[in-house]
Amino acid sequence: KAGVTQTPRYLIKTRGQQVTLSCSPISGHRSVSWYQQTPGQGLQFLFEYFSETQRNKGNFPGRFSGRQFSNSRSEMNVSTLELGDSALYLCASSLRTDTQYFGPGTRLTVL
Amino acid sequence: QQQVKQSPQSLIVQKGGIPIINCAYENTAFDYFPWYQQFPGKGPALLIAIRPDVSEKKEGRFTISFNKSAKQFSLHIMDSQPGDSATYFCAARISNFGNEKLTFGTGTRLTIIP
Repeated sequence: KAGVTQTPRYLIKTRGQQVTLSCSPISGHRSVSWYQQTPGQGLQFLFEYFSETQRNKGNFPGRFSGRQFSNSRSEMNVSTLELGDSALYLCASSLRTDTQYFGPGTRLTVL
Repeated sequence: QQQVKQSPQSLIVQKGGIPIINCAYENTAFDYFPWYQQFPGKGPALLIAIRPDVSEKKEGRFTISFNKSAKQFSLHIMDSQPGDSATYFCAARISNFGNEKLTFGTGTRLTIIP
C-alpha cells in the first residue's frame, strides 16, 4: 500500500500571503489529521477530518482551516501568514487513532 | 496547555547503553499511550504502544513501563545502536463518544554515539 503523501514538500512564502497544503491518505483510511511541528512545541494538533466532516479541532486561530474531499484527500489552508507559522506541517491518516500513519510533511518557511 | 510532559529534551548515550525517556500526564481519561519515532526528513512512525491496564510492554529492544498511580510512562531502549538516533515522541489518546484525539509530548532528541 502506498503511504501518506503530502505536497508540496517545501514552500517559501512571505508574510500576509496564504498557502494551501495537500494530503493524500492511505487508501481506505477515512480519517485525516493535521499537526504543526516546531522545535519548541513538538507536535501540535490542528484538526481532524473524517468522512468530509471536521471531527476534532485544536487550539489554533481561524486563519488555519481545512477540508476533506469525498476521496478522503485533505487540504489545509493558512491565510494571512505570520512568521510564527514557519513549521513542518504533518498529515496523518488512520482507520482508528490506535495507529496514525504520518506523511513526510510540508516544510513551510514564512519570510 | 501541555497535557503530556516529556523529558529529557535531548539525550546522548553510548552504544549499548539504555536510554530512558519519561512522560507524565494529568488527565486520567487517557486510554492509550503510543510512542513515535521520527528520523530527519521523515514523519513520525508508531514504535510501540501500551494501554493503562498493563504495566509493561516489550517489543524487541523497546520496552514501555507504565505506572498508572503515578501517571507516568517511560520508554527504554535496550542495547541501543547508532541507528536508534532519532527524535522520540510520547503521546496519549483520549476517547470521547467515538472521537479520539492524540496529544503529543514535546519530543526527545536521542543520539547514540559509537
